[in-house]
This record gives sequence, structure tokens and C-alpha cells, in this order.
Amino acid sequence: NAGVTQTPKFRVLKTGQSMTLLCAQDMNHEYMYWYRQDPGMGLRLIHYSVGEGTTAKGEVPDGYNVSRLKKQNFLLGLESAAPSQTSVYFCASSYSTGAPTDTQYFGPGTRLTVL
Amino acid sequence: EDQVTQSPEALRLQEGESSSLNCSYTVSGLRGLFWYRQDPGKGPEFLFTLYSAGEEKEKERLKATLTKKESFLHITAPKPEDSATYLCAVLPGGGYQKVTFGTGTKLQVIP
Repeated sequence: NAGVTQTPKFRVLKTGQSMTLLCAQDMNHEYMYWYRQDPGMGLRLIHYSVGEGTTAKGEVPDGYNVSRLKKQNFLLGLESAAPSQTSVYFCASSYSTGAPTDTQYFGPGTRLTVL
Repeated sequence: EDQVTQSPEALRLQEGESSSLNCSYTVSGLRGLFWYRQDPGKGPEFLFTLYSAGEEKEKERLKATLTKKESFLHITAPKPEDSATYLCAVLPGGGYQKVTFGTGTKLQVIP
């Protein structure tokens, strides 16, 4: 099993450009999450999905959109990138949020720089 | 609002020098507390989940413990390969709730 994979690994954008980050998991997990990680701050939840076709806002959703058309994939879109979106983005997945299956497993991250 | 505070922010140990990392939390009805290890440039790697006060879990040189207000990650006789940032996170109870992460403790083990 590959676990959770993310593409691309690195990306540099200019202000105003758009892009999509792809997350894929092969563990048949129901829940998927997008986080951003910035220096001195904990992981912050951007959006999450509780199943195919459903998404919800997290702690810092502004400027981002998501889609979950297939159970194994979760896409994060930036419509008009801003320098404040420079960060490392992590995708995670879990079976559910009911113990003992609520452990989240993370992908390797995408390092995004917006100039 | 749920809060997680990890201390110290950074810790430097000699190889073989045991120590503990602290995770203090405030949460409404803890459903689970998680420990992760994160290496530079990589995603967090799951270590332990603890569910109730008094619970302990071990993995190689690591042992995690849980009380009603805090968790400790004890590192016994650490090796240089234990160098990493260790993250703590909490999941509140009651329906779907988001996980709150601490900012981590950066551990460096010197040979």
C-alpha cells in the first residue's frame, strides 16, 4: 500500500495564478483532510470530507476550494493564489472519527511558494 | 476552544540521556490524544493514540502516558535517529470534531 500520496511535491506560483493539489489514498478511508503547516503554528485544518461527494470547511478555508468526486481522491484548489498561501500543505485520511479508527494518516506534503 | 501546548519547544539530548516531552491540553471531553513524529520535509508519522487517563503505550524507546490534563512522551536512552519534531494532537468527543495540533517539540539527539 502506498498510503497517502500527494502531487506535486513542490510548486512555485505567481500571485493570482491558480492550481490544484491532488491527494490520493489507497486505504479505503472515509474521511480526508487538508491541512496547512506554517512555522510556529500547529497544523491548521483547511477543509475536510466525510465521504465521497461531501466536503466541509475547517479552521482556515478562505481562498481554497475542495472536491471529493471519488472516495480515494481529495483535491485542493487555489483559485487566485496570494503570498499568504505560501505554506506546506498536508493531506490526511482516516476511517472515521470513531475510536479506535480515528487516527489520521498523513501524506508527504506539498511545499507551495507564492511570489 | 480546544488548546494544546507542547513543551519544551526544543530539546537537545546526548545519546543515551533519557527525558520526557510534555503535552498539556484543554478539550471538552477527550476522545483521543495522538502523538506523531515529523522528520524535516516529511509528513507526520503516526506513533500512538491514547484514549483514557492512565493509559500507556510503548514503541521501542518511546512510551506515551496520559492523564486528565496532559500527556508525556518518555524517550529512554535516545539515539541520533530519534531526532525529529514530535507533535501532539487531541480529538474532542461528541459527533464530528476537528483534531487540534500542538506546535511540536523539536528533539535533537547528539552522538
